[in-house]
Amino acid sequence: EAQVTQNPRYLITVTGKKLTVTCSQNMNHEYMSWYRQDPGLGLRQIYYSMNVEVTDKGDVPEGYKVSRKEKRNFPLILESPSPNQTSLYFCASSEFANYGYTFGSGTRLTVV
Amino acid sequence: SQELEQSPQSLIVQEGKNLTINCTSSKTLYGLYWYKQKYGEGLIFLMMLQKGGEEKSHEKITAKLDEKKQQSSLHITASQPSHAGIYLCGADITGTYKYIFGTGTRLKVLA
Repeated sequence: EAQVTQNPRYLITVTGKKLTVTCSQNMNHEYMSWYRQDPGLGLRQIYYSMNVEVTDKGDVPEGYKVSRKEKRNFPLILESPSPNQTSLYFCASSEFANYGYTFGSGTRLTVV
Repeated sequence: SQELEQSPQSLIVQEGKNLTINCTSSKTLYGLYWYKQKYGEGLIFLMMLQKGGEEKSHEKITAKLDEKKQQSSLHITASQPSHAGIYLCGADITGTYKYIFGTGTRLKVLA
Protein backbone atom coordinates (compact mmCIF):
# COMPACT_ATOMS: atom_id res chain seq x y z
CA GLU A 1 0.00 0.00 0.00
CA ALA A 2 1.31 3.43 -0.99
CA GLN A 3 1.73 5.46 2.17
CA VAL A 4 3.64 7.89 4.32
CA THR A 5 4.48 6.42 7.71
CA GLN A 6 5.21 8.58 10.72
CA ASN A 7 6.39 7.40 14.10
CA PRO A 8 5.51 7.78 16.85
CA ARG A 9 1.81 8.69 16.64
CA TYR A 10 1.82 10.15 20.13
CA LEU A 11 4.71 11.46 22.20
CA ILE A 12 4.94 13.23 25.55
CA THR A 13 8.38 14.51 26.41
CA VAL A 14 10.11 16.97 28.71
CA THR A 15 11.66 20.29 27.82
CA GLY A 16 15.16 19.97 26.44
CA LYS A 17 15.18 16.25 25.73
CA LYS A 18 16.19 15.67 22.11
CA LEU A 19 13.74 13.72 20.00
CA THR A 20 13.30 12.54 16.43
CA VAL A 21 10.05 11.96 14.58
CA THR A 22 10.57 9.59 11.70
CA CYS A 23 8.89 9.81 8.30
CA SER A 24 9.14 7.25 5.54
CA GLN A 25 7.39 6.97 2.17
CA ASN A 26 7.27 3.97 -0.15
CA MET A 27 6.23 5.75 -3.36
CA ASN A 28 9.66 6.89 -4.58
CA HIS A 29 8.51 10.49 -4.21
CA GLU A 30 11.00 13.29 -4.85
CA TYR A 31 9.38 15.94 -2.66
CA MET A 32 8.85 15.70 1.10
CA SER A 33 7.73 18.21 3.66
CA TRP A 34 6.98 18.69 7.35
CA TYR A 35 4.08 20.71 8.71
CA ARG A 36 2.75 21.54 12.12
CA GLN A 37 -0.93 22.13 12.74
CA ASP A 38 -2.14 24.36 15.55
CA PRO A 39 -5.67 25.57 16.36
CA GLY A 40 -6.39 28.90 14.73
CA LEU A 41 -3.09 28.88 12.84
CA GLY A 42 -3.71 26.03 10.46
CA LEU A 43 -0.94 24.09 8.77
CA ARG A 44 2.45 25.77 8.66
CA GLN A 45 5.41 24.42 6.75
CA ILE A 46 8.53 23.69 8.79
CA TYR A 47 10.98 22.30 6.22
CA TYR A 48 10.79 20.78 2.79
CA SER A 49 13.06 18.73 0.57
CA MET A 50 13.08 18.71 -3.21
CA ASN A 51 15.33 15.64 -3.37
CA VAL A 52 18.06 13.73 -1.57
CA GLU A 53 20.48 16.06 0.22
CA VAL A 54 18.35 19.10 -0.76
CA THR A 55 16.41 20.70 2.06
CA ASP A 56 15.09 24.19 2.65
CA LYS A 57 13.30 26.17 5.33
CA GLY A 58 9.58 26.65 5.36
CA ASP A 59 7.74 29.31 7.31
CA VAL A 60 8.49 28.11 10.86
CA PRO A 61 11.89 26.33 10.89
CA GLU A 62 13.19 27.65 14.24
CA GLY A 63 13.90 24.87 16.72
CA TYR A 64 13.79 22.09 14.11
CA LYS A 65 16.27 20.22 11.96
CA VAL A 66 15.80 17.80 9.10
CA SER A 67 17.92 15.58 6.93
CA ARG A 68 17.34 13.76 3.62
CA LYS A 69 20.07 11.17 3.26
CA GLU A 70 17.82 8.69 1.48
CA LYS A 71 14.91 9.36 -0.83
CA ARG A 72 12.39 7.53 1.31
CA ASN A 73 13.21 9.02 4.73
CA PHE A 74 12.82 12.56 6.04
CA PRO A 75 13.20 12.68 9.85
CA LEU A 76 12.28 15.74 11.90
CA ILE A 77 14.66 16.47 14.77
CA LEU A 78 13.95 18.64 17.78
CA GLU A 79 17.31 19.22 19.45
CA SER A 80 15.92 20.94 22.55
CA PRO A 81 12.12 20.80 22.56
CA SER A 82 10.17 23.56 24.26
CA PRO A 83 6.48 23.74 25.26
CA ASN A 84 5.69 26.00 22.28
CA GLN A 85 6.54 23.06 20.04
CA THR A 86 3.57 21.15 21.39
CA SER A 87 1.58 20.51 18.23
CA LEU A 88 0.26 18.03 15.70
CA TYR A 89 2.94 17.27 13.13
CA PHE A 90 2.44 15.96 9.63
CA CYS A 91 4.89 14.60 7.11
CA ALA A 92 3.87 14.69 3.46
CA SER A 93 5.33 13.62 0.15
CA SER A 94 4.56 14.07 -3.53
CA GLU A 95 5.98 12.74 -6.76
CA PHE A 96 7.02 16.22 -7.77
CA ALA A 97 6.86 19.56 -6.02
CA ASN A 98 3.77 20.75 -7.90
CA TYR A 99 1.71 17.59 -7.37
CA GLY A 100 -0.77 16.87 -4.59
CA TYR A 101 0.62 15.56 -1.32
CA THR A 102 0.18 12.22 0.38
CA PHE A 103 0.09 12.91 4.11
CA GLY A 104 1.10 10.75 7.04
CA SER A 105 -1.34 10.11 9.88
CA GLY A 106 0.29 12.68 12.13
CA THR A 107 2.33 12.79 15.33
CA ARG A 108 0.79 14.47 18.35
CA LEU A 109 3.66 15.89 20.38
CA THR A 110 3.33 17.31 23.88
CA VAL A 111 6.32 19.01 25.50
CA VAL A 112 5.99 19.59 29.25
CA SER B 1 -2.24 31.59 6.77
CA GLN B 2 -3.92 34.96 6.20
CA GLU B 3 -2.56 34.88 2.69
CA LEU B 4 -5.04 32.13 1.98
CA GLU B 5 -8.50 32.80 3.37
CA GLN B 6 -11.25 30.21 3.47
CA SER B 7 -14.93 30.89 3.92
CA PRO B 8 -17.02 29.99 5.67
CA GLN B 9 -15.01 28.82 8.68
CA SER B 10 -17.70 26.33 9.56
CA LEU B 11 -20.81 25.01 7.91
CA ILE B 12 -23.70 22.82 9.05
CA VAL B 13 -26.02 21.51 6.35
CA GLN B 14 -28.84 19.04 6.11
CA GLU B 15 -28.09 15.85 4.21
CA GLY B 16 -28.92 16.24 0.54
CA LYS B 17 -28.18 19.96 0.38
CA ASN B 18 -25.59 21.53 -1.87
CA LEU B 19 -22.83 23.69 -0.46
CA THR B 20 -19.87 25.79 -1.55
CA ILE B 21 -16.57 26.55 0.17
CA ASN B 22 -14.33 29.34 -1.06
CA CYS B 23 -10.59 29.84 -0.92
CA THR B 24 -9.17 33.26 -1.76
CA SER B 25 -5.53 34.18 -2.12
CA SER B 26 -4.01 37.61 -1.60
CA LYS B 27 -1.26 36.69 -4.07
CA THR B 28 -0.86 35.01 -7.43
CA LEU B 29 -1.74 31.35 -7.42
CA TYR B 30 0.76 28.96 -8.99
CA GLY B 31 -1.31 25.92 -8.09
CA LEU B 32 -4.31 25.31 -5.86
CA TYR B 33 -4.95 22.08 -3.99
CA TRP B 34 -7.96 20.84 -2.04
CA TYR B 35 -7.71 18.40 0.84
CA LYS B 36 -10.09 16.82 3.31
CA GLN B 37 -9.15 16.05 6.91
CA LYS B 38 -10.96 13.96 9.45
CA TYR B 39 -10.52 15.48 12.91
CA GLY B 40 -6.99 14.88 14.20
CA GLU B 41 -6.03 12.73 11.23
CA GLY B 42 -3.98 13.15 8.12
CA LEU B 43 -5.15 15.06 5.07
CA ILE B 44 -6.52 13.33 2.01
CA PHE B 45 -5.75 14.88 -1.36
CA LEU B 46 -8.91 15.64 -3.36
CA MET B 47 -7.80 17.54 -6.43
CA MET B 48 -5.36 20.00 -7.94
CA LEU B 49 -6.10 23.02 -10.13
CA GLN B 50 -3.39 24.75 -12.05
CA LYS B 51 -4.93 26.75 -14.84
CA GLY B 52 -7.38 29.60 -14.77
CA GLY B 53 -10.89 28.41 -15.52
CA GLU B 54 -9.96 24.83 -14.75
CA GLU B 55 -12.68 22.70 -13.24
CA LYS B 56 -12.32 19.19 -11.81
CA SER B 57 -14.74 16.74 -10.28
CA HIS B 58 -14.38 13.77 -7.99
CA GLU B 59 -17.60 11.93 -7.23
CA LYS B 60 -19.96 14.67 -5.97
CA ILE B 61 -17.25 17.25 -5.34
CA THR B 62 -16.37 19.87 -7.97
CA ALA B 63 -13.64 22.48 -7.72
CA LYS B 64 -13.05 25.49 -9.93
CA LEU B 65 -10.22 27.98 -10.21
CA ASP B 66 -10.81 31.62 -11.06
CA GLU B 67 -7.35 32.93 -11.82
CA LYS B 68 -8.44 36.56 -12.18
CA LYS B 69 -10.08 36.60 -8.76
CA GLN B 70 -7.30 34.41 -7.32
CA GLN B 71 -10.01 32.27 -5.90
CA SER B 72 -11.12 28.66 -5.92
CA SER B 73 -14.47 27.22 -4.97
CA LEU B 74 -15.31 23.71 -3.84
CA HIS B 75 -18.87 22.63 -4.43
CA ILE B 76 -20.49 19.54 -2.95
CA THR B 77 -23.69 18.33 -4.54
CA ALA B 78 -26.28 16.42 -2.51
CA SER B 79 -24.16 16.29 0.63
CA GLN B 80 -23.91 13.12 2.71
CA PRO B 81 -22.70 12.47 6.28
CA SER B 82 -19.55 10.96 4.75
CA HIS B 83 -18.66 14.43 3.45
CA ALA B 84 -18.24 15.73 7.01
CA GLY B 85 -14.76 16.86 8.00
CA ILE B 86 -12.41 19.78 7.51
CA TYR B 87 -11.74 20.99 4.00
CA LEU B 88 -8.45 22.78 3.44
CA CYS B 89 -7.11 24.56 0.44
CA GLY B 90 -3.39 24.71 -0.13
CA ALA B 91 -1.46 26.79 -2.62
CA ASP B 92 1.90 27.71 -3.96
CA ILE B 93 1.83 31.52 -3.96
CA THR B 94 5.49 32.18 -4.59
CA GLY B 95 6.26 29.83 -7.48
CA THR B 96 8.97 28.18 -5.38
CA TYR B 97 7.02 25.08 -4.27
CA LYS B 98 6.64 26.37 -0.72
CA TYR B 99 3.04 25.60 0.10
CA ILE B 100 0.73 27.39 2.45
CA PHE B 101 -2.68 26.27 3.64
CA GLY B 102 -5.89 27.97 4.60
CA THR B 103 -7.18 27.44 8.13
CA GLY B 104 -9.91 25.15 6.90
CA THR B 105 -13.69 24.91 6.73
CA ARG B 106 -15.37 22.55 9.19
CA LEU B 107 -18.32 20.83 7.56
CA LYS B 108 -21.00 18.97 9.45
CA VAL B 109 -23.76 17.15 7.57
CA LEU B 110 -26.90 16.33 9.53
CA ALA B 111 -28.61 13.06 8.64
